[in-house]
Amino acid sequence: TQLLEQSPQFLSIQEGENLTVYCNSSSVFSSLQWYRQEPGEGPVLLVTVVTGGEVKKLKRLTFQFGDARKDSSLHITAAQPGDTGLYLCAGAWGNNNDMRFGAGTRLTVKP
Amino acid sequence: DAGITQSPRYKITETGRQVTLMCHQTWSHSYMFWYRQDLGHGLRLIYYSAAADITDKGEVPDGYVVSRSKTENFPLTLESATRSQTSVYFCASTRRRTDTQYFGPGTRLTVL
Repeated sequence: TQLLEQSPQFLSIQEGENLTVYCNSSSVFSSLQWYRQEPGEGPVLLVTVVTGGEVKKLKRLTFQFGDARKDSSLHITAAQPGDTGLYLCAGAWGNNNDMRFGAGTRLTVKP
Repeated sequence: DAGITQSPRYKITETGRQVTLMCHQTWSHSYMFWYRQDLGHGLRLIYYSAAADITDKGEVPDGYVVSRSKTENFPLTLESATRSQTSVYFCASTRRRTDTQYFGPGTRLTVL
């Protein structure tokens, strides 16, 4: 059982559509990170959220941390083919602030 | 070159053989991590190190050994490879425990 559940697992949409992907847990995290990974490469950080209810925007990407710091969402507006990739969330958890990753959402944006 | 590098990028080995995957970073980051990435599981932490000569187990440490004699290097050894260790292995480094993790390009390991 994953500590962090990401949904959907796969998502295929047309260019210009909006989408939201989710990262959920029953545990509280002191911070949560979103990474994007492209084929053949390591993940690259997009954003870190720390405060419950926090919203951060990165161009067409909007990240939200749940009020209880147990969940997060990533919303992409007007998706582009360049957004294609694996989106991973990672939460800092427990006394040692271990970073635990979700299994990811694999997004394909078709031109 | 600055950054974090892994070698080899691809490795095929046989069951029972010893394999060492190398990781090198040039930032003098204190923390270094080894993950494996498998379909449906995401990234799972194998071992991490908070500094030279300090290492600790992650979620899935069985069958792996690490060492860190120098800050910049963090090799991962599979002492007797098994087919279940076929995976893509990523090394990462960071200044502090929950800071941004900078990942290497990965090593794709196949155990026959």
